[in-house]
Amino acid sequence: DAGVIQSPRHEVTEMGQEVTLRCKPISGHDYLFWYRQTMMRGLELLIYFNNNVPIDDSGMPEDRFSAKMPNASFSTLKIQPSEPRDSAVYFCASSFRVRQPQHFGDGTRLSIL
Amino acid sequence: AQSVTQLGSHVSVSEGALVLLRCNYSSSVPPYLFWYVQYPNQGLQLLLKYTTGATLVKGINGFEAEFKKSETSFHLTKPSAHMSDAAEYFCAVSDLNRGSTLGRLYFGRGTQLTVWP
Repeated sequence: DAGVIQSPRHEVTEMGQEVTLRCKPISGHDYLFWYRQTMMRGLELLIYFNNNVPIDDSGMPEDRFSAKMPNASFSTLKIQPSEPRDSAVYFCASSFRVRQPQHFGDGTRLSIL
Repeated sequence: AQSVTQLGSHVSVSEGALVLLRCNYSSSVPPYLFWYVQYPNQGLQLLLKYTTGATLVKGINGFEAEFKKSETSFHLTKPSAHMSDAAEYFCAVSDLNRGSTLGRLYFGRGTQLTVWP
């Protein structure tokens, strides 16, 4: 079975540019999570969706970050404008029903110059 | 909100030695508990989970963990370390409270396991 698919795997861009990260969850999963991982702050939950509806976005750092889930098989995380401090690995995860294990993608390694 | 504490950000063992990674959580009710492993340049993979029932849970790659309610702990062990076990390990607890945080996991800061030959 296909796991959670994230694209791109690596992104290098200059400060001020718009960045869009993409995620395809596992088919049938109704929860989708976006995380950010850095050495300083560890693994942080940014936002999560249930049945395509955002449930908790309190982890989104600021208005430069936005996330959408237009359908059950696709989600995006957008940063506009990007800043060097946004450099991190961004993970998408999905799960089937509440309290079930989350399945993670391989992440997008983002570098903002 | 739940919280998870992993004691020791780095643990080093010799190949063949016992692996013990510690995890304590805060919760007023027994939560669901998980251990994940992360290899370099990969996402997190589920090692094992505790939901209800038997408190000793067996996972993949020879790992197991024991839920101890009185100690609010869920320590991860493996009797004999292998070089391939070198990775970062995360303990996580689910939020069982109904409301806006239902469905999310709270992760510890992770423990980097090094295995010496």
